[in-house]
Amino acid sequence: IAGITQAPTSQILAAGRRMTLRCTQDMRHNAMYWYRQDLGLGLRLIHYSNTAGTTGKGEVPDGYSVSRANTDDFPLTLASAVPSQTSVYFCASRAQGGTGELFFGEGSRLTVL
Amino acid sequence: DQQVKQNSPSLSVQEGRISILNCDYTNSMFDYFLWYKKYPAEGPTFLISISSIKDKNEDGRFTVFLNKSAKHLSLHIVPSQPGDSAVYFCAASAGSGNQFYFGTGTSLTVIP
Repeated sequence: IAGITQAPTSQILAAGRRMTLRCTQDMRHNAMYWYRQDLGLGLRLIHYSNTAGTTGKGEVPDGYSVSRANTDDFPLTLASAVPSQTSVYFCASRAQGGTGELFFGEGSRLTVL
Repeated sequence: DQQVKQNSPSLSVQEGRISILNCDYTNSMFDYFLWYKKYPAEGPTFLISISSIKDKNEDGRFTVFLNKSAKHLSLHIVPSQPGDSAVYFCAASAGSGNQFYFGTGTSLTVIP
């Protein structure tokens, strides 16, 4: 089934450790996004990429980095995790050009202790 | 500062009645709006969209209304069904290819 695959689905991490959340899509969408969902704050954009080779900062980029080496993959890295990064992370993609909805993955639940 | 606001964190409605979910935005450059539905432990799924050139869009039981002068949109679900119980997010963007800003969500409970 075409869509977005995120890994891991859940992870507990010690503060200070490095963590990469993986995201792969097979819809050949140009644009990809990383959001975090927190209670009372909704979905907030961390980083985005409009096309392979380009990335941009969203609303809450600090402490996160991304790369977009190809169309399908958009990993999110926490270089040194902190407890405030405990959240549910959603990857999304969108076909570029004109309007269109975002397609979301199932989410990665990250707990930083 | 939150550019898209959903001021009602929760809403309860009887089965068969109308559910009205509201969303306000502050950025007058927003020209494309979407509603998403989210069940627990799942990713958000697209429900319905509207562009700023329209003031209404319908899809089955779901209708979205846009009032640009008030910077307000609403989602109507008629008739409401228990399976509609979920968290609903509105989102807005300015121009194609730009980032989407999401509201904080409204948790809808449809009581059988």
